[in-house]
Amino acid sequence: KQEVTQIPAALSVPEGENLVLNCSFTDSAIYNLQWFRQDPGKGLTSLLLIQSSQREQTSGRLNASLDKSSGRSTLYIAASQPGDSATYLCAAPNSGNTPLVFGKGTRLSVIA
Amino acid sequence: EADIYQTPRYLVIGTGKKITLECSQTMGHDKMYWYQQDPGMELHLIHYSYGVNSTEKGDLSSESTVSRIRTEHFPLTLESARPSHTSQYLCASSDRVSNQPQHFGDGTRLSIL
Repeated sequence: KQEVTQIPAALSVPEGENLVLNCSFTDSAIYNLQWFRQDPGKGLTSLLLIQSSQREQTSGRLNASLDKSSGRSTLYIAASQPGDSATYLCAAPNSGNTPLVFGKGTRLSVIA
Repeated sequence: EADIYQTPRYLVIGTGKKITLECSQTMGHDKMYWYQQDPGMELHLIHYSYGVNSTEKGDLSSESTVSRIRTEHFPLTLESARPSHTSQYLCASSDRVSNQPQHFGDGTRLSIL
């Protein structure tokens, strides 16, 4: 059964810093991996989807990498802004093409 | 902006009541999902559907039931609510070839007294 772990649980940085959020997963034969953002009291917004054949995906200031052999993914946020403050969730399928297993998330605070 | 709607947003109700949480999407997506999330914890899949008249249980055992009579509608029902059902319930949908959720609703925060 897939297990997804995210560290750190919380992170506070000053505005403008570049930062990295970490995600590890136990089953390296993953179909794909997703990063989501969750704002307080809201649902999730899909940020980046990396297929198993890909090494990274980029969207604006966000870059997500995938290393299946080590069971790790990172989300890089460049030039952080207060509007980036949210909880960031990493998720991967339990096995093959099945619904997602989520990590507990990293709660990010960007201080102006 | 995703067109997936959940009602009610908040519900406080007494033990033993029958509850239905509504989820509707206007995007014509075949795949829909229900997740349960306790504060500060990960999401757990409780039910999913890949199309009309198709429903499956997720990884987390749940006393709730679901139905999928229409593509756009995926309600979740608790026949007799208990305090242990207190949680946030998130609905999602997808039209991706991959069987993963794509759009999420804002959730229903349920409190059972």
